[in-house]
Amino acid sequence: DQQVKQNSPSLSVQEGRISILNCDYTNSMFDYFLWYKKYPAEGPTFLISISSIKDKNEDGRFTVFLNKSAKHLSLHIVPSQPGDSAVYFCAASTFNAGKSTFGDGTTLTVKP
Amino acid sequence: DAGITQSPRHKVTETGTPVTLRCHQTENHRYMYWYRQDPGHGLRLIHYSYGVKDTDKGEVSDGYSVSRSKTEDFLLTLESATSSQTSVYFCAIRGTSGRSRNEQFFGPGTRLTVL
Repeated sequence: DQQVKQNSPSLSVQEGRISILNCDYTNSMFDYFLWYKKYPAEGPTFLISISSIKDKNEDGRFTVFLNKSAKHLSLHIVPSQPGDSAVYFCAASTFNAGKSTFGDGTTLTVKP
Repeated sequence: DAGITQSPRHKVTETGTPVTLRCHQTENHRYMYWYRQDPGHGLRLIHYSYGVKDTDKGEVSDGYSVSRSKTEDFLLTLESATSSQTSVYFCAIRGTSGRSRNEQFFGPGTRLTVL
């Protein structure tokens, strides 16, 4: 049973437009959510996070939205840039837990 | 830069041979993790450690063992490698304070091929 799902394996958008990456979770005990970005041949790097006490967190061009009732979160990138082309992983955890559960990732391609 | 290194970065081995991957951190972090990444499966946790000699299994621990005899090193061992263990292996550490306590910092990865 996959507790964190990213149902879109890939997404392609035009430079300057909005990219929306989605993530669903099933475990209601999760209370902290993170997005990581991964370039080829590199390890993932932390991008942005949100606690379950919030419904939105913004950092520059990146905004994460959390809908607890739907057990759904999304990452918005505005405006999208070619350098944003990467694999994006959604992850979930309980705040004091030692580990996170990751989704399968979405490959974002931003076309110039 | 979280000060995480992995060795080797690339390895090709034969089925049935033992393999040990090393993760080294310079940050004195308590939590360390081993993941494998495969196409269509994202990042799956193999084992993790919450202190010296304290380890626990992740979701795909079969065929793997770990050891942590000192804070800075976390070793992943494949006792008898199989072709299904061909993968990219990532080590990670967890942040220690405030909101970063839930963030993980990843090493560069080890690409392992089992023939």
